[in-house]
Amino acid sequence: AQSVAQPEDQVNVAEGNPLTVKCTYSVSGNPYLFWYVQYPNRGLQFLLKYITGDNLVKGSYGFEAEFNKSQTSFHLKKPSALVSDSALYFCAVRDGRILTGGGNKLTFGTGTQLKVEL
Amino acid sequence: DGGITQSPKYLFRKEGQNVTLSCEQNLNHDAMYWYRQDPGQGLRLIYYSQIVNDFQKGDIAEGYSVSREKKESFPLTVTSAQKNPTAFYLCASSIGGRPNQPQHFGDGTRLSIL
Repeated sequence: AQSVAQPEDQVNVAEGNPLTVKCTYSVSGNPYLFWYVQYPNRGLQFLLKYITGDNLVKGSYGFEAEFNKSQTSFHLKKPSALVSDSALYFCAVRDGRILTGGGNKLTFGTGTQLKVEL
Repeated sequence: DGGITQSPKYLFRKEGQNVTLSCEQNLNHDAMYWYRQDPGQGLRLIYYSQIVNDFQKGDIAEGYSVSREKKESFPLTVTSAQKNPTAFYLCASSIGGRPNQPQHFGDGTRLSIL
């Protein structure tokens, strides 16, 4: 079974400082990894994904994520945080193999609340 | 603009009542999904459909039912058998058969018990 762990329920950072939101995963095949952001009472917005290739993936709104296969991690980063980045962030994983019977389900972590303060 | 529309935004259910949540997409996506979101639990998959007239149970299908008669529409019914229906419900869609593609989400329906 595949799984995602986001070890921090909340991350606090000052505006202008770098931020990191942690994610580790477990999957049998090659991982397809995704980061989403959710603002209050809204749906999830896609930020970025890792499928293959470069370990550093760039996404929307200045976010990037670093894939580390040996540590099975996919941490989300941003060099300089903004107050408007405050939101709930979800990491998700899918098995990269083509599986029958609907096996390509997306598994989400429990989310990390990011709070950026002035 | 293409996207996913969920309605209503807020819904209240009485004891013993079935309620239906609407999800419509104009992204021409084959695959559609229903998730339940509870605080601190992330998203849990209720049902998904990879093609019209076909759908599969997710991880927490008990007390829910769906239909997929049209490509654009994937309504979710919360039946009276679902004893704890209070949650935020999210509908999503994606390009079918392409696991490297992200899912796109609607803005959710918040269901509460009266």
